Amino acid sequence: GENVEQHPSTLSVQEGDSAVIKCTYSDSASNYFPWYKQELGKRPQLIIDIRSNVGEKKDQRIAVTLNKTAKHFSLHITETQPEDSAVYFCAASLTGNTPLVFGKGTRLSVIA
Amino acid sequence: DVKVTQSSRYLVKRTGEKVFLECVQDMDHENMFWYRQDPGLGLRLIYFSYDVKMKEKGDIPEGYSVSREKKERFSLILESASTNQTSMYLCASSKPSAVTLGTQYFGPGTRLLVL
Repeated sequence: GENVEQHPSTLSVQEGDSAVIKCTYSDSASNYFPWYKQELGKRPQLIIDIRSNVGEKKDQRIAVTLNKTAKHFSLHITETQPEDSAVYFCAASLTGNTPLVFGKGTRLSVIA
Repeated sequence: DVKVTQSSRYLVKRTGEKVFLECVQDMDHENMFWYRQDPGLGLRLIYFSYDVKMKEKGDIPEGYSVSREKKERFSLILESASTNQTSMYLCASSKPSAVTLGTQYFGPGTRLLVL
């Protein structure tokens, strides 16, 4: 089955700097890749997703890139702010009735 | 606005007790999921359901069962709670899109402590 590896497990950046979180997946047939953000004590929420027919997607300060050949995808956060501090999870799935497989998470700390 | 609720935020149970965790969603979603979240292990899928009375095992179903008698409600059952089931339990629901199971909306979580 699918296996998703996520790095780094913790990341500290200065406010205003960029943050990058990387994930690799094992099943070349996977083609849906969402990212969830979980603030302390709160539920995970979808922040951005990408499908395999797209190489990059942006939403304001957040972008996701996908390299299907190398089987990895990344989350990029620019101009980080303290409210970006959270745990971020990547996930992957096949299309159809296949559930998501999540990475182990990255704890991002933005230092003011 | 999607609302997923869980019956308890915190639970303390004794080893060997039967434990019921309830999840309710109000958006007519077909799919519902139960995960457990442990530090350093991320979100691990226990069971999921595509429809009423349907269930599928996830990655870690041992020691758990589920029930989906109504579309809006998905229950997780610990038949005989053990200390290694102490964890945060998250429920989620989604409406399938044309190609995927759809965006998952999570409940607030139930933190279970088994003594």
